Amino acid sequence: AQSVSQHNHHVILSEAASLELGCNYSYGGTVNLFWYVQYPGQHLQLLLKYFSGDPLVKGIKGFEAEFIKSKFSFNLRKPSVQWSDTAEYFCAVNTGNQFYFGTGTSLTVIP
Amino acid sequence: DTAVSQTPKYLVTQMGNDKSIKCEQNLGHDTMYWYKQDSKKFLKIMFSYNNKELIINETVPNRFSPKSPDKAHLNLHINSLELGDSAVYFCASSQGGSRVGKLFFGSGTQLSVL
Repeated sequence: AQSVSQHNHHVILSEAASLELGCNYSYGGTVNLFWYVQYPGQHLQLLLKYFSGDPLVKGIKGFEAEFIKSKFSFNLRKPSVQWSDTAEYFCAVNTGNQFYFGTGTSLTVIP
Repeated sequence: DTAVSQTPKYLVTQMGNDKSIKCEQNLGHDTMYWYKQDSKKFLKIMFSYNNKELIINETVPNRFSPKSPDKAHLNLHINSLELGDSAVYFCASSQGGSRVGKLFFGSGTQLSVL
């Protein structure tokens, strides 16, 4: 069965630290890749997406992610986090008409 | 045990029919949701139910009606299905009332309207 793995369940960082959240998937075909963010008390927002082309994609609020096909990975990065980045981050993979979510990574940024 | 389960996984039907998608969560959460994956593959919230009461209805045609017999179940009924209803629908749940807690998603139902 297809799966999406987010190995970091809970990450705690100080402001200005760099962030990298891992996402790996287990599908060998063509994929569309997403990172969604859920701020406290709010619904999902799309951070960024990859459909094709440049494997390094930039999203909102200074986030970026790199698609490495050989590693089946789509890790999320931000060079310098802010307190307002405290949220749940979900990686998702779309293959054909199927959509698979990771279990989410909780990020807490300490001022 | 699956935390959030929705059935069926696939649903193929004719235009004009009425169909339902069921969702159940065994996490003890207070709030359940229906999301739709749109044509651009983005997820959008449709409904939110807290303790059997509707708290969000995001500009969804009234052919779509959520039904929550108890807080562990939120079913989605769709009347007079149209071609444009073809999409993947996701159920989710979270703890908490007016503030959305961490979401737990079902595996999706792929609806195809012919």
